[in-house]
Amino acid sequence: GENVEQHPSTLSVQEGDSAVIKCTYSDSASNYFPWYKQELGKRPQLIIDIRSNVGEKKDQRIAVTLNKTAKHFSLHITETQPEDSAVYFCAANLKPGNQFYFGTGTSLTVIP
Amino acid sequence: GAVVSQHPSRVICKSGTSVKIECRSLDFQATTMFWYRQFPKQSLMLMATSNEGSKATYEQGVEKDKFLINHASLTLSTLTVTSAHPEDSSFYICSAATGDRGNEQFFGPGTRLTVL
Repeated sequence: GENVEQHPSTLSVQEGDSAVIKCTYSDSASNYFPWYKQELGKRPQLIIDIRSNVGEKKDQRIAVTLNKTAKHFSLHITETQPEDSAVYFCAANLKPGNQFYFGTGTSLTVIP
Repeated sequence: GAVVSQHPSRVICKSGTSVKIECRSLDFQATTMFWYRQFPKQSLMLMATSNEGSKATYEQGVEKDKFLINHASLTLSTLTVTSAHPEDSSFYICSAATGDRGNEQFFGPGTRLTVL
């Protein structure tokens, strides 16, 4: 089955700096890669996603890049703000209706 | 659109009792629902996948007799934790998928179960 690894497990940045979280996956057939933000005790919220036919996607301060050959994808948050502090999870999906394989999570702290 | 609810949000029960958690898709039909368990500071662990009208598919290591899943309709799935013990205390989250929205899944708000 699919195996998703995520690094780093914890990340602290100064407010205004950029944060980068990286994930690798093992199954080359995976074609959908969402990123979730989860605050303590709440549901994961989709913040951005990318499909395998696209190399990069951006939404304001958030961007995701995908390297299909190397089987890795990354989340980039620019101009970080304290409210960006949360746990972020990457995931990989093979096809609609199939399970998501989640990374182990990154706890991001943005220091004011 | 694409709202998923869970009930209850929190439950505290005594050891040995059973607890039922409901997951509902409020404004769409969910062909597939997923149940996850999440321990503090850990990732979401998939417990089982359920399709409407068929038996759930459980992940390795998840006891099907312990965690009963029923997906009776396209808008409702239930997870029953039978004979709960303190080690079953966790955050349980469901998600729902529909063929109309591609790969995306929609998460419920989660249920915090505490077994005394």
